[in-house]
Amino acid sequence: GQQVMQIPQYQHVQEGEDFTTYCNSSTTLSNIQWYKQRPGGHPVFLIQLVKSGEVKKQKRLTFQFGEAKKNSSLHITATQTTDVGTYFCAGRRNRDDKIIFGKGTRLHILP
Amino acid sequence: DTGVSQDPRHKITKRGQNVTFRCDPISEHNRLYWYRQTLGQGPEFLTYFQNEAQLEKSRLLSDRFSAERPKGSFSTLEIQRTEQGDSAMYLCASSLLGLNTFYGYTFGSGTRLTVV
Repeated sequence: GQQVMQIPQYQHVQEGEDFTTYCNSSTTLSNIQWYKQRPGGHPVFLIQLVKSGEVKKQKRLTFQFGEAKKNSSLHITATQTTDVGTYFCAGRRNRDDKIIFGKGTRLHILP
Repeated sequence: DTGVSQDPRHKITKRGQNVTFRCDPISEHNRLYWYRQTLGQGPEFLTYFQNEAQLEKSRLLSDRFSAERPKGSFSTLEIQRTEQGDSAMYLCASSLLGLNTFYGYTFGSGTRLTVV
């Protein structure tokens, strides 16, 4: 079945440093979504990427979708304490399908 | 609209008992999903509905699990004869699927089940 893998599982960075998490799918995706889950909270939708090679930015966050539509990345520039949480990618094989989540990357900010 | 509501927030039950959770999605959304999340893991797909039709149920889900969405509004997830391995956070999400557009999921706060 479809699998979505994320690395790293954990990342500790000093406040102000950059952070990147990578997502790989075993199958070509129709689109990919990214979610953020704060400690004790529920996943919150960040963005969706649909087109091959697509790049989208949200302030300090940059999202990329690979040319083959099998991988994606999230890059955060100059991390802040508010960035703490777990970042999940979630892929969809077909337009009408449910999304499959990766295991997430837990970001911890060191003061 | 207050978003996706789930009830109860917490449930502690004895092994072997039945439990039922409720989810009220965003009213304009036609898709409703159930996921399960354990500590340190991503949400695991259980089942989903489009309006009142259940479109897919995970093969990992045993026959002890059943979900309904009568009239295409709220949904219930029932677990019969609970086992300790059922302890998890049960998340409900809803979304809108249009003809040419698809949107992100809006999750509820979840129901945390503890089986003792």
